[in-house]
Amino acid sequence: DAGVIQSPRHEVTEMGQEVTLRCKLISGHNSLFWYRQTMMRGLELLIYFNNNVPIDDSGMPEDRFSAKMPNASFSTLKIQPSEPRDSAVYFCASRRNYEQFFGPGTRLTVL
Amino acid sequence: QQQVKQSPQSLIVQKGGISIINCAYENTAFDYFPWYQQFPGKGPALLIAIRPDVSEKKEGRFTISFNKSAKQFSLHIMDSQPGDSATYFCAASKGQAGTALIFGKGTTLSVSS
Repeated sequence: DAGVIQSPRHEVTEMGQEVTLRCKLISGHNSLFWYRQTMMRGLELLIYFNNNVPIDDSGMPEDRFSAKMPNASFSTLKIQPSEPRDSAVYFCASRRNYEQFFGPGTRLTVL
Repeated sequence: QQQVKQSPQSLIVQKGGISIINCAYENTAFDYFPWYQQFPGKGPALLIAIRPDVSEKKEGRFTISFNKSAKQFSLHIMDSQPGDSATYFCAASKGQAGTALIFGKGTTLSVSS
């Protein structure tokens, strides 16, 4: 089985541009989590979905961030407009029952 | 009550030695305690996990020890190898599937040869 798939793996953009990160869940998993990782703040939960429904978005830093899950296997995280402080590695993870598996991450650099 | 506190922040161990990383939690509703291993440039990978109905779980060189009364759990890496050098995260979550894992801040382990 394929693991969690994220794209792009690297993204370099300029401040003010829109950024869209994509995630494909493991087949059969019903929970999706978006995390952000930085040296300063560690691994932060941004938002998570159960069965396509957003459950907790309290970790989303600002209204510039939005996440969608249009179907059971796919999710997007959008930042509009992007800022240099958004530079980080963004992970999505999918989960069924207790076990949670992370994708390889998207390294975002906002200049 | 939602925090998971992990220590030490960094650890240096000689090859062949035992690496020990500790975590403490407050929320007694937590009943799933995994450990993740992360190499540079990679996503965290599930290493081993325990439920509170047992006090210890062993998989190869990796062992979780769990102390429910103290609300603590630890990861022991026996016969540590340079390939074990990575960042380790403990985590905890409540019983219902689909609740979010609460992660510790991570421990960077370096195993010297």
